[in-house]
Amino acid sequence: GAGVSQSPSNKVTEKGKDVELRCDPISGHTALYWYRQSLGQGLEFLIYFQGNSAPDKSGLPSDRFSAERTGGSVSTLTIQRTQQEDSAVYLCATHRGVLGYGYTFGSGTRLTVV
Amino acid sequence: GIQVEQSPPDLILQEGANSTLRCNFSDSVNNLQWFHQNPWGQLINLFYIPSGTKQNGRLSATTVATERYSLLYISSSQTTDSGVYFCAVGGPDDSWGKLQFGAGTQVVVTP
Repeated sequence: GAGVSQSPSNKVTEKGKDVELRCDPISGHTALYWYRQSLGQGLEFLIYFQGNSAPDKSGLPSDRFSAERTGGSVSTLTIQRTQQEDSAVYLCATHRGVLGYGYTFGSGTRLTVV
Repeated sequence: GIQVEQSPPDLILQEGANSTLRCNFSDSVNNLQWFHQNPWGQLINLFYIPSGTKQNGRLSATTVATERYSLLYISSSQTTDSGVYFCAVGGPDDSWGKLQFGAGTQVVVTP
């Protein structure tokens, strides 16, 4: 597609439930990143994919967080047993994997854990 | 990891004014980008600029990699320039890996 698409745009979930967040990258973009932004804060790196593999998972805050990417395209970020501190905007970005270009961000998923 | 410091944290401008935002980083970088986050939360890439100078309309940016800083210039500011400006860097091993974001500069342009 023309841009990075994220769904859902908003998600309210009860504490303890699992959630899945989806990112559809720009066609042909080989690199994909997940970040999160808590209220009034900067951006925190979570995980980076090159193709279907994740060479850098260093930002995942706990083993409740996991992500996968299939077909070098769609990525899903899963949070198990959600906690209130997981409330944030989860942002996906993609990159064409060629030097000289910047990253393109989606509009994010706002997750609220009640 | 690399430390990224942005200044000033907040900036209030009258429409038509010029301003300079600064980004200091603690180590050599292979990747430096400036982003604008509008009041609706959308992040827009402004520049990919690990070194040198670039211009795009009323915005320009300069990175002096040897001195570990980058500057973003906004000229003839407009109300649509309001939002948060982020500098983000990737280390020597991160050509297009993770970016470390600064805390941002909140810009408000008043009519």
